[in-house]
Amino acid sequence: RKEVEQDPGPFNVPEGATVAFNCTYSNSASQSFFWYRQDCRKEPKLLMSVYSSGNEDGRFTAQLNRASQYISLLIRDSKLSDSATYLCVVRSGTYKYIFGTGTRLKVLA
Amino acid sequence: NAGVTQTPKFRVLKTGQSMTLLCAQDMNHEYMYWYRQDPGMGLRLIHYSVGEGTTAKGEVPDGYNVSRLKKQNFLLGLESAAPSQTSVYFCASSYPLAREDHEQYFGPGTRLTVT
Repeated sequence: RKEVEQDPGPFNVPEGATVAFNCTYSNSASQSFFWYRQDCRKEPKLLMSVYSSGNEDGRFTAQLNRASQYISLLIRDSKLSDSATYLCVVRSGTYKYIFGTGTRLKVLA
Repeated sequence: NAGVTQTPKFRVLKTGQSMTLLCAQDMNHEYMYWYRQDPGMGLRLIHYSVGEGTTAKGEVPDGYNVSRLKKQNFLLGLESAAPSQTSVYFCASSYPLAREDHEQYFGPGTRLTVT
């Protein structure tokens, strides 16, 4: 079993739709959680950190469920510019950041 | 602020050749990392550094060496390149974990092909 698992997609959604991604992690002692966005042939960029109480940034909402060991990302009112690969990242050691393989999102006009 | 920069952006090597990838950051981050990204796999940690003059092995260190002589620079060396080292290499930096904002910031990547 991979330490961090994501559905690779692609998720093809129309503009304006709401889309949700899930990510599961295997190490119950994991301490920090992040969502990164990666555009084709570019570097990962931090989208948002994920906190236990859940957090929101504009159209993006992240949730953490420690009991079930998953994190989620909800994107409301999808834009064409949201098309990218979304990486789930879990810190399970002092310097150990585990990256998921990413979920591809395509927002269609 | 330039953030995290990497040179070169692209490189083609023949098997057995050597090269050094340079990473520089201007955010005064203590920690720096080198990752490789291959199709169908998440980023994998090669080496990391928690401060000037210190380095440590990550998940896939074989065939690579690193040095951190200055806080702002982290070098990744390939002594004898192999086709299995064909990949995209990303450098990242971050503040120490004691800070709430310890997320990683990435450079633009180096695309390396070994023939």
